[in-house]
Amino acid sequence: DIQMTQSPSTLSASVGDRVTITCRASQSISSWLAWYQQKPGKAPKLLIYKASSLESGVPSRFSGSGSGTEFTLTISSLQPDDFATYYCQQYNSYSTFGPGTKVDIK
Amino acid sequence: EVQLVESGGVVVQPGGSLRLSCAASGFTFDDYTMHWVRQAPGKGLEWVSLISWDGGSTYYADSVKGRFTISRDNSKNSLYLQMNSLRTEDTALYYCAKDVAYHSGYFDYWGQGTLVTVSS
Repeated sequence: DIQMTQSPSTLSASVGDRVTITCRASQSISSWLAWYQQKPGKAPKLLIYKASSLESGVPSRFSGSGSGTEFTLTISSLQPDDFATYYCQQYNSYSTFGPGTKVDIK
Repeated sequence: EVQLVESGGVVVQPGGSLRLSCAASGFTFDDYTMHWVRQAPGKGLEWVSLISWDGGSTYYADSVKGRFTISRDNSKNSLYLQMNSLRTEDTALYYCAKDVAYHSGYFDYWGQGTLVTVSS
């Protein structure tokens, strides 16, 4: 089974900050990686698929990069609506989610 | 508008059984693979199971294999999860999720979830 890790587990940041979250896979998953945003009491929302493709309707301040085993999600300028938990998901072999990264207010 | 509405979550004793349902609308249901994903209280997301568009292929996470069965009824635009031999660690909010395409493996629409509590 493919295991996913994320770092950091919690990130404290201010509005306007550039934020980067890292996701690592236990084996190569090519570019079969998605990123989701989840707010309390809500279902997850798809942000990025195939490692770097932006889902329709998602602000361009979100971007993804990486391939193989190491991936990043970057928010270029953090907005008040972006305080949430972010999950990566591999879909190279069935599906596995990372443990999540909570972005909170500094 | 795509809608996924889960139901069937209740409090059940360990060892018990439960059937979850997901009613889909707003898209051609039988064109898409469907998934169940769960989230234990205060924890992260865990993929549970998937079923192909025609029900011909099903896959499960190791944690539920042999205990849970996914199924669908395309005539009713409905997805199901039969859960047997329930354990306390199965306590979670269960989401149904729509695959982006025929079978891409990631999800563009989610329901709001139905809560399953396994407790004596």
